[in-house]
Amino acid sequence: SQQGEEDPQALSIQEGENATMNCSYKTSINNLQWYRQNSGRGLVHLILIRSNEREKHSGRLRVTLDTSKKSSSLLITASRAADTASYFCAPLRSYNTDKLIFGTGTRLQVFP
Amino acid sequence: EAQVTQNPRYLITVTGKKLTVTCSQNMNHEYMSWYRQDPGLGLRQIYYSMNVEVTDKGDVPEGYKVSRKEKRNFPLILESPSPNQTSLYFCASYSGNTIYFGEGSWLTVV
Repeated sequence: SQQGEEDPQALSIQEGENATMNCSYKTSINNLQWYRQNSGRGLVHLILIRSNEREKHSGRLRVTLDTSKKSSSLLITASRAADTASYFCAPLRSYNTDKLIFGTGTRLQVFP
Repeated sequence: EAQVTQNPRYLITVTGKKLTVTCSQNMNHEYMSWYRQDPGLGLRQIYYSMNVEVTDKGDVPEGYKVSRKEKRNFPLILESPSPNQTSLYFCASYSGNTIYFGEGSWLTVV
């Protein structure tokens, strides 16, 4: 099984500031994905970074991956109140995987 | 449109009354999974299935059953629900690329 652990558990910032959250994992991976969950809703896929990539951008999102340290970070630039949500990482090994386990996520609160 | 559909979305039931939460995906994914989410505990995996007729326990399988008779459906069965199974439940399917989640089922057992 593979599991990501997000850090910090909670993060509070003002609108316009950047938010950085981190993910650590233990096994080798094929890709790592970040998901967002609005309160009480299903998780939604944000971005995928493959193991041979070091950095990826999507709009205001920037993801980095350091396979030597088994860690990833998600940066949200110029945050908005609508970014308030929980964020989860999913380090994935292969298509024919077994347990897909999530950590407790990072709860981001963006104040207007 | 890629979808994972769960039903019911909201349910209040009584202790001991068997219930089934259905999950269906339209993407022909082989891998499907059930999670429960409780405050402060994140998503905990209940059962998963890597293909038709192949199911296995996750981290919190006690009190639950599943079946996978066809690829698109993966129902979660609570044979005798108890109040500690009050939770938010998510079904998910996985393509090898992206994990798709249902919208969640709020279950309250009184």
